[in-house]
Amino acid sequence: DSGVTQTPKHLITATGQRVTLRCSPRSGDLSVYWYQQSLDQGLQFLIQYYNGEERAKGNILERFSAQQFPDLHSELNLSSLELGDSALYFCASSVGVGVGTSRSPLHFGNGTRLTVT
Amino acid sequence: EDQVTQSPEALRLQEGESSSLNCSYTVSGLRGLFWYRQDPGKGPEFLFTLYSAGEEKEKERLKATLTKKESFLHITAPKPEDSATYLCAVQAPGGNTGKLIFGQGTTLQVKP
Repeated sequence: DSGVTQTPKHLITATGQRVTLRCSPRSGDLSVYWYQQSLDQGLQFLIQYYNGEERAKGNILERFSAQQFPDLHSELNLSSLELGDSALYFCASSVGVGVGTSRSPLHFGNGTRLTVT
Repeated sequence: EDQVTQSPEALRLQEGESSSLNCSYTVSGLRGLFWYRQDPGKGPEFLFTLYSAGEEKEKERLKATLTKKESFLHITAPKPEDSATYLCAVQAPGGNTGKLIFGQGTTLQVKP
């Protein structure tokens, strides 16, 4: 158990809808990350928050947004959903702001499987 | 372009048959290479971090090594429970962040 908690585990929704994915980081971790995993793209970085502030952004669609709250949990909001958004969405957390200088690896949750029909 | 390439895509071994997985990378100024294990339906589980060429890390039957262009994950006398997808990732250049660039993974199956 990595200590990173994601809810819900599964989500089935229709095109055009909006969903919210939730993540609680490991105790003591200040950074939260969101990654998307699909069969053809592999694991793709979406966005990172550190202590409530956006730290880094990947190829995150404008229809997607995220935030990190004062208690450090994070939410990923996906709107105007399309069939191609079906994927596994992983949250990860780490102690420091980066994995290089702080030498703190990312620890992943077990993901939310999103199916858009 | 910064990228990570893993080979082979899939590997089948008999229990006890040692082998190696390869991860080659092209990134300017490597600041960390990471190995993860992923079981079906689960999130990636952290295995190792390597920071400089020549560095080696070991854990049970797994040993990771790093050169200036690639990393190897050596599996010695594997058991069926080692069956999983092994992912390699590097920290993306451009600032101190946790943005990782992942390879597509090697799916390992160990038969008893």
